[in-house]
Amino acid sequence: AQKVTQAQTEISVVEKEDVTLDCVYETRDTTYYLFWYKQPPSGELVFLIRRNSFDEQNEISGRYSWNFQKSTSSFNFTITASQVVDSAVYFCALERGSGTYKYIFGTGTRLKVLA
Amino acid sequence: GAVVSQHPSWVICKSGTSVKIECRSLDFQATTMFWYRQFPKQSLMLMATSNEGSKATYEQGVEKDKFLINHASLTLSTLTVTSAHPEDSSFYICSAKREFSSTDTQYFGPGTRLTVL
Repeated sequence: AQKVTQAQTEISVVEKEDVTLDCVYETRDTTYYLFWYKQPPSGELVFLIRRNSFDEQNEISGRYSWNFQKSTSSFNFTITASQVVDSAVYFCALERGSGTYKYIFGTGTRLKVLA
Repeated sequence: GAVVSQHPSWVICKSGTSVKIECRSLDFQATTMFWYRQFPKQSLMLMATSNEGSKATYEQGVEKDKFLINHASLTLSTLTVTSAHPEDSSFYICSAKREFSSTDTQYFGPGTRLTVL
């Protein structure tokens, strides 16, 4: 079975703190893609990153970084020096079978960054 | 970047009526589009895959007679919620797979909030 688990339902941090959002996935596919999306209060999903299963290099994009570890089936997302504008629900997703474009979303983590 | 629009952005209707939601890819062609449903404070659940020129493929547990999908062109898919009831109230999000894209990703619309009274 394929599954995405985001154990953290809600996290609150104070502005400028670093915060890591956890994502653990299950799949039997050898080739797969993982994603992170941000959903602000407006509801529109904002694409953050796409990672394929063969690329375990960590990625950094500004204040965002991602740590992909196949050994633990985890794809964690860290925001450095958080800002109030980072407040949103963040979803981790797994493409269900390479090439299907069908995503399995985790339950999301609501991040609240307090000023 | 690629843009996907949805219309309407929100709709309120009476129980028993049908509601049509449009999903358009504005600057690219999309053979395949997807419809998701998101209940308040919950995750997105894939409802169906919409294929241009053919019948939609529904996920297990989704009533195809209740949620009619038509993908009439390479830039438009519609979702019609027939005989809507309060339990159909939800946030409906579409996404479109961009053809011939090197990034091989899909693009999400802004969503449509349906409230059935």
